[in-house]
Amino acid sequence: GIQVEQSPPDLILQEGANSTLRCNFSDSVNNLQWFHQNPWGQLINLFYIPSGTKQNGRLSATTVATERYSLLYISSSQTTDSGVYFCMNNAYSGAGSYQLTFGKGTKLSVIP
Amino acid sequence: DGGITQSPKYLFRKEGQNVTLSCEQNLNHDAMYWYRQDPGQGLRLIYYSQIVNDFQKGDIAEGYSVSREKKESFPLTVTSAQKNPTAFYLCASTPWAGGLNTEAFFGQGTRLTVV
Repeated sequence: GIQVEQSPPDLILQEGANSTLRCNFSDSVNNLQWFHQNPWGQLINLFYIPSGTKQNGRLSATTVATERYSLLYISSSQTTDSGVYFCMNNAYSGAGSYQLTFGKGTKLSVIP
Repeated sequence: DGGITQSPKYLFRKEGQNVTLSCEQNLNHDAMYWYRQDPGQGLRLIYYSQIVNDFQKGDIAEGYSVSREKKESFPLTVTSAQKNPTAFYLCASTPWAGGLNTEAFFGQGTRLTVV
């Protein structure tokens, strides 16, 4: 099946620092999304970004579908940015079916 | 407001009991999905459905069952055959099963604990 590799698996930042999270895909990127999982487990949709670049406040994301990767940038990090970040691709998985495939996540800890 | 609703938020089950987790969406989405998440782990696909009255097993379907009798509803039953059901369960939906513009929406999750 389609593989989604996220890096780094863990990241510790000082408040105010910038960071880049990455997702690599083994197959075509169709409907890529980035999520932040809050302490209660809810997945907060950050970006729906099948291609190109989007920005929302201190966060931005870029997907280069032809090279099968996506990047999530967090600038001027805050302690509230802590949590787990997932990328997800909705892509054809064979036999006429599509699946939502997740990376294993990046656990971000922002310290004051 | 359109969205996807899971209930209950917390659920406690005695060993040997079956329990059913509810997932309802009013987004008119064709496809729906169930995921399981264990502490500190990623999301694993249990079952998915691309259309009413049809569903497929995901990676960890053993011990679970689903139905899709209505477009808006995709309940998940955790049976007594599931050896370790304590986990966080997430339901998702997409407008259709493939192609472009299939942004996924997630419910708030159900935390199941076996007591």
